[in-house]
Amino acid sequence: GAGVSQSPSNKVTEKGKDVELRCDPISGHTALYWYRQSLGQGLEFLIYFQGNSAPDKSGLPSDRFSAERTGGSVSTLTIQRTQQEDSAVYLCASSQTPYYEQYFGPGTRLTVT
Amino acid sequence: SQQGEEDPQALSIQEGENATMNCSYKTSINNLQWYRQNSGRGLVHLILIRSNEREKHSGRLRVTLDTSKKSSSLLITASRAADTASYFCAAGDSGGYQKVTFGTGTKLQVIP
Repeated sequence: GAGVSQSPSNKVTEKGKDVELRCDPISGHTALYWYRQSLGQGLEFLIYFQGNSAPDKSGLPSDRFSAERTGGSVSTLTIQRTQQEDSAVYLCASSQTPYYEQYFGPGTRLTVT
Repeated sequence: SQQGEEDPQALSIQEGENATMNCSYKTSINNLQWYRQNSGRGLVHLILIRSNEREKHSGRLRVTLDTSKKSSSLLITASRAADTASYFCAAGDSGGYQKVTFGTGTKLQVIP
């Protein structure tokens, strides 16, 4: 079946602009995660959804970052007033339920110039 | 700080040798998972071990878990060049948020 998809695959934006990143999880997966991975680094947890609610927003780096999930499916991560330090690969993952193995999307590479 | 931290950060071995990577975590967990990331590609789940398990096998992979030491190890036997990748452990918190936190990874290079 279809895996996790993310769009766009690449995004180049100017500093100060807003960006929206989209994640389509595997159908039926209730848990959805957003991570950020800088070049050569590990995964930085951003936010986790169980259904449409986000029990844990502790990983969001600043109030410029927000995320929502609708219909227990698609999620969007929004970064307002982007900064150069926001440049990274943003990964989305979904799992059947929390604690089960996560299936990752290919990521969105964000470059802020 | 990271919940999971891998050791070593980098490992280089000859094809056919075994590779061992270690992971330490800080809090109580429900499970611990290992993932692989090939260069420029997404992460792939390898194996999950629950907190009440001590050892688990999957093909050439063997994972152990020591909850008293808050550590886990991943052993890849008879390594192949295709095993070259970064390997991450991910600790599933037993707390209410059910968060899974990834470590910084071990970069494994298998030389043909």
